Parts: sequence; structure tokens; C-alpha cells
Amino acid sequence: AQKVTQAQTEISVVEKEDVTLDCVYETRDTTYYLFWYKQPPSGELVFLIRRNSFDEQNEISGRYSWNFQKSTSSFNFTITASQVVDSAVYFCALSEPSTGNQFYFGTGTSLTVIP
Amino acid sequence: DARVTQTPRHKVTEMGQEVTMRCQPILGHNTVFWYRQTMMQGLELLAYFRNRAPLDDSGMPKDRFSAEMPDATLATLKIQPSEPRDSAVYFCASGPYGYEQYFGPGTRLTVT
Repeated sequence: AQKVTQAQTEISVVEKEDVTLDCVYETRDTTYYLFWYKQPPSGELVFLIRRNSFDEQNEISGRYSWNFQKSTSSFNFTITASQVVDSAVYFCALSEPSTGNQFYFGTGTSLTVIP
Repeated sequence: DARVTQTPRHKVTEMGQEVTMRCQPILGHNTVFWYRQTMMQGLELLAYFRNRAPLDDSGMPKDRFSAEMPDATLATLKIQPSEPRDSAVYFCASGPYGYEQYFGPGTRLTVT
């Protein structure tokens, strides 16, 4: 079974629109960590954020914000006022101590921002 | 600005040849991961080291792939013999145990 599900395979938005990327995870651990990575067309995976399971406070960093909800096992990522440079594949990931803290990546959401 | 480095960045080889990919993790990171990325399979974990000891290599085809960390500054991934289906981008990542991973730029392997 998939531990991390990113149901949106591809999303297209027009520049300046807001967009939310969904991530649903599955774990039996009480302590676990969630991550988002960005993979621009250049190919390198860039770390964006880490969130531990005890911290449900939402986080905002510039135009990026993350909504962590344990009740629905979701860790969604919103880009406000999207820009062309946001075009990339975005991956959500989970790590849990019971499996040695290896990462389980979702299949990614490809975001295209149209100018 | 510390980064994970990988060599070579691109490799084209013929089927049956040995391929060695190298990774220099960020100094001080005690976990190292090897991933393979293809359009069809996405990101697959091949091997995972903690303090240079292999923790998990269940994702790696054992008959032709091998991964080692001869020292804390070098991780290697070898394919022998290589096959066309091994064509992919291979990423190395490092990080403190239990924390985020930092990825290298990847090695794009093409086996003809």
C-alpha cells in the first residue's frame, strides 16, 4: 500500500492564481516526519520543508504555506500568487522511525504555471 | 554552502559494461541514500546507509547492483553488467539521521 498519496498527477494554473497540492499519508507510528521537495526542470530535488508529527501549526514561508492535519492524515502545500518559476514537480514524503527513517515519496504532482 | 556532489553527471555506456557512480555526502551527515528515478517508476529507493553501514538495500537488484561506503566521504553505486533497463537518473542524498535529505544533482545513465 502506498504510504504517501499525491492524487493530483498534473495541475495547470495561470500565473497569479493560488494552487494547493494535496498529500495524504499513512503511518502507524505516533512520531513521524513529513517533507515537501521541489524538482524543477533542471532535475535537482530541492528540500522545502520538514514537519514533525507533534507540530500541527501551519507554516508560511513567503508565498508558500503548509497545512498539516493529523485528523485527516494530510499535509497540503499551497502556493499563493503562483509564478512561472514555480513550475516543477512537487513531491511529498514521509519518514517513520519504525522503518528506520527511510523516506517514502509520493508519485509527485507536476505543476505548470502559465504566464 | 555545503552540497552533495555526484560524479559523473552523465554516462552513456553499452550493455554489459560496468558502471560506477560516486557520491560525496555533506560533511557531518550520517545517512546516505541512493535513489533511481524513471518516468515509469518514479523515485525508487535503492540503498540506505547509516554511519556507513547498510540499513536497507532491498530495493536494489542484488545480482547486478552493489552499493558501498568505503569511507564517510564517499558512497559508490556499481552496476555490473549494465542493461538498457538501467537507464535512469540516479540520485544520492545525505542527511542527519531522521531529518531531511539533501539531494545531489544526479547521474543520468544511458545504457545502449
